[in-house]
Amino acid sequence: EAGVAQSPRYKIIEKRQSVAFWCNPISGHATLYWYQQILGQGPKLLIQFQNNGVVDDSQLPKDRFSAERLKGVDSTLKIQPAKLEDSAVYLCASSLGAPAQYFGPGTRLTVL
Amino acid sequence: LAKTTQPVSMDSYEGQEVNITCSHNNIATNDYITWYQQFPSQGPRFIIQGYKTKVTNEVASLFIPADRKSSTLSLPRVSLSDTAVYYCLVGGNTGGFKTIFGAGTRLFVKA
Repeated sequence: EAGVAQSPRYKIIEKRQSVAFWCNPISGHATLYWYQQILGQGPKLLIQFQNNGVVDDSQLPKDRFSAERLKGVDSTLKIQPAKLEDSAVYLCASSLGAPAQYFGPGTRLTVL
Repeated sequence: LAKTTQPVSMDSYEGQEVNITCSHNNIATNDYITWYQQFPSQGPRFIIQGYKTKVTNEVASLFIPADRKSSTLSLPRVSLSDTAVYYCLVGGNTGGFKTIFGAGTRLFVKA
């Protein structure tokens, strides 16, 4: 069974630029999560989808971050414009309605 | 959502059994307990989940007392490759399981 796929793996941008991350969850997993993990900290949930509906986006900085999950499968997370403090690893995870979440390798974003 | 408290770090030696305890005093009736392992530059990896009593798989055991206010992850005979951060999460199903990651426990296994 293929795992959660994410791209790109690394991205370097300058502040005020835009960036987008893509996630393809495990086939059949209805729940998709995006996390932000700053070095030395645990992952912080940004947004949670159940199929193509948003369950929780309370910690998503909506003035600059947006996410969508069209057709309840793939998802994209966008940052526009990026700030220095957005430098982090962005993790995507999916689950099949059970507690266990399966994570992708993450995208390491560096904002200069 | 129930918050969790874990030791910041632990040291062990190869071949020893390691027990990491997590406190979750305000766990709700429908909350499950899950544990994850994370190596540097990788996403967290699911290890084990449980609701009550004891759960065992090929990697670890999870002990949950009757009051469910804590849980203990037991790693038998650790090796150097078990050096990682271990996260305890508690969450219930409200349109997909919602969970909060804490800072985790950094386990250092020495030769």
